[in-house]
Amino acid sequence: KAGVTQTPRYLIKTRGQQVTLSCSPISGHRSVSWYQQTPGQGLQFLFEYFSETQRNKGNFPGRFSGRQFSNSRSEMNVSTLELGDSALYLCASSLEGNSNQPQHFGDGTRLSIL
Amino acid sequence: GENVEQHPSTLSVQEGDSAVIKCTYSDSASNYFPWYKQELGKRPQLIIDIRSNVGEKKDQRIAVTLNKTAKHFSLHITETQPEDSAVYFCAAPRGGADGLTFGKGTHLIIQP
Repeated sequence: KAGVTQTPRYLIKTRGQQVTLSCSPISGHRSVSWYQQTPGQGLQFLFEYFSETQRNKGNFPGRFSGRQFSNSRSEMNVSTLELGDSALYLCASSLEGNSNQPQHFGDGTRLSIL
Repeated sequence: GENVEQHPSTLSVQEGDSAVIKCTYSDSASNYFPWYKQELGKRPQLIIDIRSNVGEKKDQRIAVTLNKTAKHFSLHITETQPEDSAVYFCAAPRGGADGLTFGKGTHLIIQP
């Protein structure tokens, strides 16, 4: 079974631009969560989607948004990029989206803002 | 929401010795506690998890213990090997839907 796939792996953008990242979950998994990882703040929860609905959202500004498609693939979008948005963006999928199920991570997208 | 504290931030042990990493959580309703290992430049990998209906779980050299009363859980690695060098994260559910709150991580260094 293929693991969680994230594209692209690396991305360089400039301030003010916007970016869209993609995540394909493990086949059969219906929940996708997104996290931002930085050296200073660690792993921080962005949002979670299940059956095309955002069910849970972390403490990030409205510039961060996402969506999930009927095949469970998910995208996240960041608008008006700032230097502080430079980070590794990770997505994780789980089977049913219950809070006591294992989450499996993708390799992440490394976003650098110049 | 859930708050997870993890200690220590760095742990250096001699190869062959044991390592213990501790975490505390704030939400008494939390019922699932995973541990992830992240090697440099790689994805976090789930190495072991425990649910609140058990107090201990083992998988070869790795074990996790849970004390619900005190709201803390610990990762124990015995007979450490060089390949155990990595950053380890504990986590707890955010509550309600899926999504995890992570500890700040422990950088485990195995000295030869």
